Amino acid sequence: DIVMTQSPDSLAVSLGERATISCKSSQSVLYSSTNKNFLAWYQQKPGQPPKLLIYWASTRESGVPARFRGSGSGTDFTLTISSLQAEDVAVYYCHQYFTTPLTFGGGTKVQIK
Amino acid sequence: EVQLLDSGGDLVRPGGSLRLSCAASGFTFSIYAMCWVRQAPGKGLEWVSGISDSGAITYYTDSVKGRFTISRDNSKNTLDLQMNSLRAEDTAIYYCVRGGIYGYRSDHWGQGTLVIVSS
Repeated sequence: DIVMTQSPDSLAVSLGERATISCKSSQSVLYSSTNKNFLAWYQQKPGQPPKLLIYWASTRESGVPARFRGSGSGTDFTLTISSLQAEDVAVYYCHQYFTTPLTFGGGTKVQIK
Repeated sequence: EVQLLDSGGDLVRPGGSLRLSCAASGFTFSIYAMCWVRQAPGKGLEWVSGISDSGAITYYTDSVKGRFTISRDNSKNTLDLQMNSLRAEDTAIYYCVRGGIYGYRSDHWGQGTLVIVSS
């Protein structure tokens, strides 16, 4: 199984400041034939299902604000929120859909400092 | 608009059975693989099972193999999860999810249905 390791477990950032979340996979999720990374990021607010933010490691889902940016390739990935807004308080998960069993990171809780 | 309506969650005793259902609308159900993902109270996300667009191929996480069965009815746009021999550790919110396997991102999630396994 591909193990997804996120860090930190939680972070507190001032409004308007940058938040950075790291995700590492135990195996590459890059499919060389298409040069696509099968890595997604989700945002989950209390009492709600996860919401897709980023797929292919760096493609924003329709309607997702530009302050959310995904980067990385292979086994190392990053989600950056460039200017944290109050509505961004949530838990964020990375997720590999390269192979079954599909796996998720443990989550990173983002709060306002 | 894509909609996934999960249902069937309940309180069940250990060893019991439960059948979850997901009614899909707003998209061509028969061309998408589908999955179930669960989340134990206060915990992270765990993929449970997936099924191909035709329903011919199914996948399971190891902890549910032999106990859970995923199925779909493309004529009714429904996805099901039959859960047998339930254990306390199966307690979770179960989400119906579009996509997931075959390299397609999980882009739409149901609101979830709560399963509690307790005596």
